[in-house]
Amino acid sequence: GAVVSQHPSRVICKSGTSVKIECRSLDFQATTMFWYRQFPKQSLMLMATSNEGSKATYEQGVEKDKFLINHASLTLSTLTVTSAHPEDSSFYICSARRGGARGGELFFGEGSRLTVL
Amino acid sequence: SQQGEEDPQALSIQEGENATMNCSYKTSINNLQWYRQNSGRGLVHLILIRSNEREKHSGRLRVTLDTSKKSSSLLITASRAADTASYFCALITWRWASGSRLTFGEGTQLTVNP
Repeated sequence: GAVVSQHPSRVICKSGTSVKIECRSLDFQATTMFWYRQFPKQSLMLMATSNEGSKATYEQGVEKDKFLINHASLTLSTLTVTSAHPEDSSFYICSARRGGARGGELFFGEGSRLTVL
Repeated sequence: SQQGEEDPQALSIQEGENATMNCSYKTSINNLQWYRQNSGRGLVHLILIRSNEREKHSGRLRVTLDTSKKSSSLLITASRAADTASYFCALITWRWASGSRLTFGEGTQLTVNP
């Protein structure tokens, strides 16, 4: 199957700093990537849809200025958690779509665990 | 909500037993998928069932879909300790702006005791 890489896998930061998480499709081009957030023992919640070359589409209740998404190339999307606070501590997972909008397959990264002190 | 609701939330069984997890949803779907997640890891795709299919098999996995009841079930036969993980159903829906997208159910935490 296709490979999606996330980096870093774990990050610890101080409150008030910004953290960038990268999602790369290693062996295919992905015009669309998705960012999810997962709290302990809970499900994945879709945060936003990242589209290459255009603005991300955010889900209701997700702050655009808080979670900055950039999809500058066909293989890389980044999620920046700005001015992080302890409540932003979570597991962030990206997925990348290979293929078209209707029939494409989705592949998931291994996730990035953010801990804000 | 398009998000699936799963039951049970937690299931503990002995090795060799079968495990059944259920997923119910509220809207029309194009497809439904099941994923597995080991603790603190990413998701592994298990199986996809299309809306015009009623049952699908993959190894020890059996998935059923009842669109009239808006429900799906995942059966793992002859469970092993290595099957211990969280299992999620995911609804595949399509939006004009972003194409296909996945929204996940609440998940079932399966523990298989050796």
